[in-house]
Amino acid sequence: QLQLQESGPGLVKPSETLSLTCTVSGGSINSRSYYWGWIRQPPGKGLEWIGGIYYNGFTYQNPSLKSRITLSVDTSNNHFSLKLSSVTAADTAVYYCARRNIDVVPAAMGWFDSWGQGTLVTVSS
Amino acid sequence: QSVLTQPPSASGTPGLRVTISCSGSSSNIGSNTVNWYQQLPGAAPKLLIYTNDQRPSGVPDRFSGSKSGTSASLAISGLQSEDEADYYCAAWDDSLNGPVFGGGTKLTVL
Repeated sequence: QLQLQESGPGLVKPSETLSLTCTVSGGSINSRSYYWGWIRQPPGKGLEWIGGIYYNGFTYQNPSLKSRITLSVDTSNNHFSLKLSSVTAADTAVYYCARRNIDVVPAAMGWFDSWGQGTLVTVSS
Repeated sequence: QSVLTQPPSASGTPGLRVTISCSGSSSNIGSNTVNWYQQLPGAAPKLLIYTNDQRPSGVPDRFSGSKSGTSASLAISGLQSEDEADYYCAAWDDSLNGPVFGGGTKLTVL
């Protein structure tokens, strides 16, 4: 059974860079049928798509965050990562990694079929 | 402000039927399919409905989805206490070139 697990610091100082890794087990990142995404949820609020990456390194990013986002994938170790620079209190949220099924035509009609448990990242000095 | 609009809350009594609406535009729901996610308290979202009306294996047939034009709906029949959760609609947005979510609807089972 596929499992995704986020890891990274739970506390980041303002203006610094948030770094998270999602480790995938029970399945391979190296697949054309999926892309690997990040979604966040501020406390008490709704979901916001951050971006996603394919096994070959191609990325999609939310335009509102694009200038601050770096996405990477490590197929050898079956994990993918997110870096968000110049964080502020507004970036405080639970960060989820998720697998997006794109084995449909067109791929945009896909869906997030498996999610990690989420990790709370607080931006505070 | 979410791109897709959902009512913030909904409620129903056990055994009855409740519907949750999701309104979008021509760049998202109007031209792409809709997915629904259920988020139980303290848990990660879980896929509930994909491609407008398809249920993943394991999701009871009490849950159903539909889409018409730039709106979509989630219906839950035979309401149960364990259905208390937040429900989110989502769709690809051609302008954003990425998925967008509704603001979520908190369902209370009275």
